[in-house]
Amino acid sequence: GDSVTQMEGPVTLSEEAFLTINCTYTATGYPSLFWYVQYPGEGLQLLLKATKADDKGSNKGFEATYRKETTSFHLEKGSVQVSDSAVYFCALREGNKLVFGAGTILRVKS
Amino acid sequence: DAGVIQSPRHEVTEMGQEVTLRCKPISGHNSLFWYRQTMMRGLELLIYFNNNVPIDDSGMPEDRFSAKMPNASFSTLKIQPSEPRDSAVYFCASTKGLTQETQYFGPGTRLLVL
Repeated sequence: GDSVTQMEGPVTLSEEAFLTINCTYTATGYPSLFWYVQYPGEGLQLLLKATKADDKGSNKGFEATYRKETTSFHLEKGSVQVSDSAVYFCALREGNKLVFGAGTILRVKS
Repeated sequence: DAGVIQSPRHEVTEMGQEVTLRCKPISGHNSLFWYRQTMMRGLELLIYFNNNVPIDDSGMPEDRFSAKMPNASFSTLKIQPSEPRDSAVYFCASTKGLTQETQYFGPGTRLLVL
């Protein structure tokens, strides 16, 4: 079946640093791709999505571009804040289901 | 608007006991998903319903787990008997239709089986 691989964490950054969290996927077709964020003690929230190749999803300063040639959907933010500390999940849609990566913990220090 | 509501938020029980987790989806959503999250296995889809009918339960670990959706506004996930390896956070999510890609997650139920 389809699968998602994320970079292992935790990722620890200082405030205002540049963030990249790598995500690659394996799929038979061209699935929609997502980033979800989970803040401590909460459920997952959709952060951004892209539905076709070369689409760029963006929200709250985060961006990710659907790269078909490299089967990647890396998450980036130019300047992280302490409030961005959370677990980030890359996911793809396989049929009616979402397939999630293992999650990457991000810790931002002031 | 209220989001997905789950209860209880925390549950501590002893091995062998029955555990029932509850979920109320967002009003108007007709698809509901149960997930389990553990450190070892990450986030796993257990089962999902569409229009109160179970569509895919291939993720349910074994016969000790069962899920029901008696109406559009309520679902339960039951574990009987519970075992320590069932300790995890259980999330419920809902969405409108099966092709709607944005799933809305509840806050989760943290289960500890001693």
